Formats: sequence, C-alpha cells, structure tokens
Amino acid sequence: GNSVTQMEGPVTLSEEAFLTINCTYTATGYPSLFWYVQYPGEGLQLLLKATKADDKGSNKGFEATYRKETTSFHLEKGSVQVSDSAVYFCALRGHSGAGSYQLTFGKGTKLSVIP
Amino acid sequence: EAGVTQSPTHLIKTRGQQATLRCSPISGHTSVYWYQQALGLGLQFLLWYDEGEERNRGNFPPRFSGRQFPNYSSELNVNALELEDSALYLCASSLEAGEVAQPQHFGDGTRLSIL
Repeated sequence: GNSVTQMEGPVTLSEEAFLTINCTYTATGYPSLFWYVQYPGEGLQLLLKATKADDKGSNKGFEATYRKETTSFHLEKGSVQVSDSAVYFCALRGHSGAGSYQLTFGKGTKLSVIP
Repeated sequence: EAGVTQSPTHLIKTRGQQATLRCSPISGHTSVYWYQQALGLGLQFLLWYDEGEERNRGNFPPRFSGRQFPNYSSELNVNALELEDSALYLCASSLEAGEVAQPQHFGDGTRLSIL
C-alpha cells in the first residue's frame, strides 16, 4: 500500500534560518504529492503540490521537487519567519486502485520559529 | 469562493452516545472525504463519498458511517461513542474523483470530545 515517511519534529529554528523537512514515499505508479500546513486550531491548508517527476511546487517561499529516483518530496524554505510556525504534512494521492483517491499522510512535523 | 464548511465546531458527548458531524464541500466539488486526526495517531482516512455513493472506507469499525446528499454535502455518524473517538474530524472536498492531480481542500474540522 501507499505510505509516507517524514522527519518527525519538533523542529525549532531562528528567524531567517534555512528550513528542510524530509519526506519520502512508497506508492505504486506515479502518485501526486502534496504539502499541507496546519496552523494552531485550524484545518489543513494546501501549501504546494507536484503531479509528475521533476515537477517543482512552490508557494509563499516554500519549494519541493518531486524526485522519482529517490521517491522524495522534501520541503525547503530559504528564510523562515515566525509566522511559519505550524505543523507540516507531506501527503500523496495515488493513481490506481479503489484505495487511491484518498490522501495518505505522513505523521507531521511541528515547526517553531523563534525571533 | 466559499471553502469547505464543517459544523459544529465543537461537540461534547458521553460514552455510548451518537454523534453527527456535517460538511459542505466547495461549490462544484462532488467528492467528500472524512479524516480523523487523533492525538498521537496522525491523520487517518475514514470515508470517501462521490456522487452520493460510498467509494471507500479506511480501517475503522462499522459504527463509523455516513452519507452524501444530492447537493454533495455529507454527514459523518459515529455510534456507540468510545473515549478513543475523541479527535478532530476533518472533511475535505475535491473535484471529480478521477482527477488525482486535484488537491483536496479541507475544512477547519469538528473537535469531538468524549467524556
């Protein structure tokens, strides 16, 4: 079945530091990959997505590249802000089989950015 | 456009009772997904509805059930509530199920607390 593994936090960074959150996946075929962000007390917001190999998703200074050869989709940001403090989820959505269309999530990585 | 809306925001029940959670998808979205986010367990897929039919369910007992109405809104029902059902229940919607590149958009969730 499908699975997502992401680095578990918590991760604490100083403002303007570089962020990497690792994410690797296992899936049959060619899944679509997503990063979602959850701010305290809220639901999930789509941060970025990539639907095929070598695609780069980007939004709000965050980037992630779909690497089929390493089955990875690492999230990066060059300079984090206090407002980026949240929980980040890597997720995939498969392309075949009855169980494909729901999202499979990683366990989430809590990021805290201190001034 | 209005996002995914869920009601109620909070729900407090006691063991053995029944709970009903409601979700209205984004206009034009026909697929509705339910996820459970319990402390320490991450995001677990519960149910998927599309065009009024249940298409898939996750690894949850039958006392978790639901339905989708002709206007594509959905209800999640949980019978015989147990303490471990305490969680944030998230609803998501997406365009037609076959478009796996389409992201799922989430509501803010219903916080269910079992006393």
